[in-house]
Amino acid sequence: DIVVTQSPDSLAVSLGERATINCKSSQSVLHSSNKKNYLAWYQQKPGQRPKLLIYWASTREFGVPDRFSGSGSGTDFTLTISSLQAEDVAVYYCQQYYTIPYTFGQGTNLEIK
Amino acid sequence: QVQLQESGPGLVKPSETLSLTCTVSGGSISRYYWSWIRQPPGKGLEWIGYIYYSGTTKYNPSLKSRVTMSVDTSKNQFSLKMNSVTAADTAVYYCARLGDDSSGYVADYWGQGTLVTVSS
Repeated sequence: DIVVTQSPDSLAVSLGERATINCKSSQSVLHSSNKKNYLAWYQQKPGQRPKLLIYWASTREFGVPDRFSGSGSGTDFTLTISSLQAEDVAVYYCQQYYTIPYTFGQGTNLEIK
Repeated sequence: QVQLQESGPGLVKPSETLSLTCTVSGGSISRYYWSWIRQPPGKGLEWIGYIYYSGTTKYNPSLKSRVTMSVDTSKNQFSLKMNSVTAADTAVYYCARLGDDSSGYVADYWGQGTLVTVSS
């Protein structure tokens, strides 16, 4: 199985500041045939279902604010929230969908400082 | 707007079989892959497996011996059965749609989740 590890486990950022969450996979999720990274990011607010934010490591899902961005390739990825809003308080998960079983990171709990 | 709704017993006895159904509305179950994902209370997400509308399945190897998924296109539903459950299977169970090839089949629509507790 591909092990996906996020850092940090918890993060507190002031409103309007930048938040950065890292995700590392135990093997590359870059597919050689299409040059795409099979890495997604989800947001889960308290008591709610997960919501897809980003796929292909950097493509925002329709309707996701542009303050959310994804970057990285191969085994190292980053989710950045450029200017934190109160409604961004949530747990964020990365997931690899390169190979079965699809696996998630342990989650990063993002709070307001 | 596609909506998914899980249904099934909220309490299952140890060693028995967990059975859940996901009803899809606002769109056809055909042409997509459909997945089950679970989340133990206070913990992270675990992918259980997926089923294509044609019936093709892929399961997490760690659960494969206990899991069966099925689909009923006439009812726009798909189902999960997990046998020989233990307390470790207590979790919120989500059903989800996997998007098409343009996104690489990520979970783009999720049900609200249903808590299944394994206890005698």
